[in-house]
Amino acid sequence: GAVVSQHPSRVICKSGTSVKIECRSLDFQATTMFWYRQFPKQSLMLMATSNEGSKATYEQGVEKDKFLINHASLTLSTLTVTSAHPEDSSFYICSARASGLAGSEDTQYFGPGTRLTVL
Amino acid sequence: DAKTTQPPSMDCAEGRAANLPCNHSTISGNEYVYWYRQIHSQGPQYIIHGLKNNETNEMASLIITEDRKSSTLILPHATLRDTAVYYCIVRPSNSGYALNFGKGTSLLVTP
Repeated sequence: GAVVSQHPSRVICKSGTSVKIECRSLDFQATTMFWYRQFPKQSLMLMATSNEGSKATYEQGVEKDKFLINHASLTLSTLTVTSAHPEDSSFYICSARASGLAGSEDTQYFGPGTRLTVL
Repeated sequence: DAKTTQPPSMDCAEGRAANLPCNHSTISGNEYVYWYRQIHSQGPQYIIHGLKNNETNEMASLIITEDRKSSTLILPHATLRDTAVYYCIVRPSNSGYALNFGKGTSLLVTP
């Protein structure tokens, strides 16, 4: 149990285009999902916290108009990178907070990540 | 979240036990110790967590000192597939907050 999927696993796009990344909790409901970004040889950095049915909370320095987050259901959150530029190239990872899952209260499970390359 | 200190890297021979230490001397009474690992180019994988008692599951054992200021993650029989960066994170459970990843320990399991 406690599986989180991401789609796509990797994407290459041209500068100026928008890219949508989906994060799904497959076997549990997630009232809270998190989006992280990881640059090469660095640790994961939190971008935003996404709560189902409400606006996302962004970390300092993360542009909310550039990184659009939608969490419309208890099993799906999406991150859209708008007008992508080469400096947005990174590894984007989501996690879902498992609430109500027996023995796993407040454990977060991570998706496999999405490798974004902006040309 | 309380800060943690981990060695930047460790080596372990395949088949031997890997003991990964973590210092969290400023841990609060309501904070749990979580361990995750990240294999190259994958998302982090949950390993184990505990409050004050030692914990064991199919992946690893977690030993927490009595004063809770440090802990050790034990992989009893390391395999090459255990090569990864291991993160020790302390945070309150049921807090709804994201995990704060430090630099972790890069474990290399050698043949």
